[in-house]
Amino acid sequence: GQQVMQIPQYQHVQEGEDFTTYCNSSTTLSNIQWYKQRPGGHPVFLIQLVKSGEVKKQKRLTFQFGEAKKNSSLHITATQTTDVGTYFCAGRAGAGSYQLTFGKGTKLSVIP
Amino acid sequence: KAGVTQTPRYLIKTRGQQVTLSCSPISGHRSVSWYQQTPGQGLQFLFEYFSETQRNKGNFPGRFSGRQFSNSRSEMNVSTLELGDSALYLCASSLIVGTNYNEQFFGPGTRLTVL
Repeated sequence: GQQVMQIPQYQHVQEGEDFTTYCNSSTTLSNIQWYKQRPGGHPVFLIQLVKSGEVKKQKRLTFQFGEAKKNSSLHITATQTTDVGTYFCAGRAGAGSYQLTFGKGTKLSVIP
Repeated sequence: KAGVTQTPRYLIKTRGQQVTLSCSPISGHRSVSWYQQTPGQGLQFLFEYFSETQRNKGNFPGRFSGRQFSNSRSEMNVSTLELGDSALYLCASSLIVGTNYNEQFFGPGTRLTVL
């Protein structure tokens, strides 16, 4: 079945440093979503990417969808303590797929 | 608009028992998905319901089942509980327009502990 791999599993950064998490799918995706889960909380939707090569920005966050629609990345510039949490990518396979497959997430710690 | 609600929030059961968890989606959302979240395995897809029909099922044993009612509320049931079923069970609802799959809104989850 479809697998979504996410690396790294953990990342510790000093406040102000950049952070990137990468997501790779075993199959071509129709779209990919990113979620953030704060400690003790539930996943919250950040963004959805649909088009090949798409790049979207949300303030300090930059999301990319690969040309082959099999990989994606999330980059945070100048991390802040409020960025702490686990970031998940979630991919949906081709048309007609009702299942969202989540990566195992990257847990980000920010040292003030 | 009220968010996704899940009841109960916490549950302690013993091995061999069964449990039913409930999820009320956001008003107007007809798609409800269930996930099991554990520290080692992350978020694993259990099943998705739309208009009372299960459209997809993850790789879980038949002890895990669910259903959806005409008001889109959903329940999941786990029979013959095992220690490994201890996890956070998350429900998520989504507004699907045609074939456009939108974001999933997660509930706070039910923390199940099996002793």
